[in-house]
Amino acid sequence: EIVLTQSPGTLSLSPGERATLSCRASQSVSSNYLAWYQQKPGQAPRLLIYGASSRATGIPDRFSGSGSGTDFTLSISRLEPEDFAVYYCQQYGSSPGTFGQGTKVEIK
Amino acid sequence: QVQLQESGPGLVKPSETLSLTCAVSGYSISSGYYWGWIRQPPGKGLEWIGSMYHSGSTYYNPSLKSRVTISVDTSKNQFSLKLSSVTAADTAVYFCARRGSGRLGAIDYWGQGILVTVSS
Repeated sequence: EIVLTQSPGTLSLSPGERATLSCRASQSVSSNYLAWYQQKPGQAPRLLIYGASSRATGIPDRFSGSGSGTDFTLSISRLEPEDFAVYYCQQYGSSPGTFGQGTKVEIK
Repeated sequence: QVQLQESGPGLVKPSETLSLTCAVSGYSISSGYYWGWIRQPPGKGLEWIGSMYHSGSTYYNPSLKSRVTISVDTSKNQFSLKLSSVTAADTAVYFCARRGSGRLGAIDYWGQGILVTVSS
């Protein structure tokens, strides 16, 4: 089973700032099948990025994903008030699909 | 618009079987995709439970495989989760979800989630 480690655990930033979230895998993610999700309290996660770098339908272009192999990054270019949430990475190249433990982006 | 809605008991006794159903609207399960379940203990992260292809092939998390059954009822356009011999550690919000295959294998549609508490 591939273990995903996200860092930092919490990111304290102000609206308008850039956010950089990291997701590191314990072994190479097959075909870079890595997704990012956003979750707000009391809601289901929402798909942001799939295939490491492709934005899902309707996702603003301030969200971008990069990386390959074992190191992946989610960047939010300019934080909007609605972006403060918990973000999870997930690899779906190997079964079972596993999730990282999450990074909380909070208002500074 | 694809929509998924979980239903089932919110309280299950220890050692009993947790049973949930996910009703799908806006898309026919028999047309394709994988249909499955993810759970999230209160205040914690996400855990993939398993999924089933519309044809019937199933894929379970090895950590839960001995206790999990996922089945599909194409006539009702819904799928179900059964988790046997539950303990307090199975208390969680359970989400039903749809995912594609290959590069599109991320989870693109989620249900709203249902909290299931295991307690006597």
